[in-house]
This record gives sequence, structure tokens and C-alpha cells, in this order.
Amino acid sequence: AQSVTQLGSHVSVSEGALVLLRCNYSSSVPPYLFWYVQYPNQGLQLLLKYTTGATLVKGINGFEAEFKKSETSFHLTKPSAHMSDAAEYFCAVSDRSSASKIIFGSGTRLSIRP
Amino acid sequence: DTGVSQDPRHKITKRGQNVTFRCDPISEHNRLYWYRQTLGQGPEFLTYFQNEAQLEKSRLLSDRFSAERPKGSFSTLEIQRTEQGDSAMYLCASSPLDSTYLQETQYFGPGTRLLVL
Repeated sequence: AQSVTQLGSHVSVSEGALVLLRCNYSSSVPPYLFWYVQYPNQGLQLLLKYTTGATLVKGINGFEAEFKKSETSFHLTKPSAHMSDAAEYFCAVSDRSSASKIIFGSGTRLSIRP
Repeated sequence: DTGVSQDPRHKITKRGQNVTFRCDPISEHNRLYWYRQTLGQGPEFLTYFQNEAQLEKSRLLSDRFSAERPKGSFSTLEIQRTEQGDSAMYLCASSPLDSTYLQETQYFGPGTRLLVL
């Protein structure tokens, strides 16, 4: 069965500092991988996704993630944090053979210090 | 294109009452999904439709829960005899049917927050 583990339920960084949110997945076959962001009282918004091809994926708002099959990881990074990046971030995985459910991690709350 | 909409945004009910939520997907999106999100957790899959057909249901979807998508457009999620444990955010998402990838991007609505007293 597929699963997602997000290391660190809360990450705090200073404005302008590097953002690194960690995600490891478990899947018997290479899956599709996603990062979603959720702002307070809003739905989830897709930041980026990996389906096939280049393992470094660029998303919106300056975020990117790298698929590392050997490490079963899909960590999210942003070179310089902005106050507006404060939100909940969810890593997710889905099965290539099934166009149905997405399995989400438990989320990482990102706080930005002025 | 106004995105996925959900109604109501908030619902407070007493234990034992029935509630119904509505989801309007992005127009022409064939697939519609329901998820439940409890505090401090990621969304959990409940069920999904392709057009009007309900193709998969999670074991989380007990017999008190029923979902419909009668005309392949909007969907309703009904919870009968609500329990305090049903308190959560109920999220709807939709996606188009893509010929290249089996898993197309899911676009989420703002959710309906349910509180059962």
C-alpha cells in the first residue's frame, strides 16, 4: 500500500532563508507525486507534481521538488522564504495504474519569522 | 471558469441529524472526488465518480454516508445520523479525463466544515 511520511509537523524559517520540507513515500512502483499548499480556511492548491521525465520539478511561487527514486523522497524547497509562504503543505502520492485517490501526508505547517 | 465550489461552507448540526453537502466541479471535468480532513491531518479519500458512475469507495465511507452524482455534474454527500466523530472538513475535488496520464491534476474546492454537537 502506498503511504507518505512528512518529517516535521512544523517548520519555522526566517524570511529570506531556505525552505526545505521533507517527504518520503512508500510505493511498490514509481508513483505520481504532488505537493499541495493550504492557506487558512481555503482549499488545497497544487504547487507542483511529478509524473514522468525530469526529476527536478518546478512549481508555482518559486517552489521546486526533486524526485529521488533511490531515496524514495520528494522534498520541497524554495531558495528564499517570503512571509506569504506561511501555510500548511501536503505531500501526496497516487498510483500510476489507478486514476482515483491521492494519498496525502499529515502535513507540515510552515511559519516564517520576520 | 470559477473553480470548484462547495455549499455550505460551514454547517453546525446536532448529533443524530442528517446533513447534505453539495459540490459543483469545474465544468467539463469528468472526475469528482470527496475527501475528509480532520484537524491536523491530511485529507483522506472517501469516494470518486467518473461522470455519474461511483467507481471507488473508501472503507471510511460507512453506510451512514452516501454520495451521488446523478447527471455527471454536481455531486452531493449525505451523512445520516451524524456522530461527533463526523466533525471534519469535507473537501471536493474535480479533474479532467486526460489521455496522456491516468492521474490528472485534482482541483480542490474550499471545503465544507462540519461541526456535530
